[in-house]
Amino acid sequence: RKEVEQDPGPFNVPEGATVAFNCTYSNSASQSFFWYRQDCRKEPKLLMSVYSSGNEDGRFTAQLNRASQYISLLIRDSKLSDSATYLCVVTQASGNTPLVFGKGTRLSVIA
Amino acid sequence: NAGVTQTPKFQVLKTGQSMTLQCAQDMNHEYMSWYRQDPGMGLRLIHYSVGAGITDQGEVPNGYNVSRSTTEDFPLRLLSAAPSQTSVYFCASSYSQGINQPQHFGDGTRLSIL
Repeated sequence: RKEVEQDPGPFNVPEGATVAFNCTYSNSASQSFFWYRQDCRKEPKLLMSVYSSGNEDGRFTAQLNRASQYISLLIRDSKLSDSATYLCVVTQASGNTPLVFGKGTRLSVIA
Repeated sequence: NAGVTQTPKFQVLKTGQSMTLQCAQDMNHEYMSWYRQDPGMGLRLIHYSVGAGITDQGEVPNGYNVSRSTTEDFPLRLLSAAPSQTSVYFCASSYSQGINQPQHFGDGTRLSIL
């Protein structure tokens, strides 16, 4: 099983729709979780951290399910500008081990 | 602050040539890393450093060297370029690999090996 797995998509949704992505991770000792956004031919940028109790940032909600080892990202009221690839990122238990990136889920929001 | 700065932005090399990709950060971050990104493969870690004078191998280190003589700079050297090293290279930095410390990325170097 790969360390971090994501559905590659693409998810094609109309403007205003709600869309959700899941990401599963294999290491139960993983401590920190993030969602990054990557636009075409650009660098990845941090979208939000994922906290155990779940957290929200505007139209974006992130959830963590440690028992089932997955994190999710919910986008409400999708905008055309949300079109991008969303990367799931996981850290290990100890302080100085590298981040593990998923391959990303591609989202296209259509007018 | 400029953040993470990578140079050059684009480069074309011939097979067998060597070159150095530069990465500098002005945020006094301890941790720096190099990734390559290929279609369908996602980001793969090449080398990383947890501080000046300390480097370690990532998932795909073969054909690349790194050094970390200062906190600010983390150059990536291609020893003898091969077509398989055609990729987009990203440098990133963060305070640490610990809890709640995400990475900041440079805007990438697009490298083509002919």
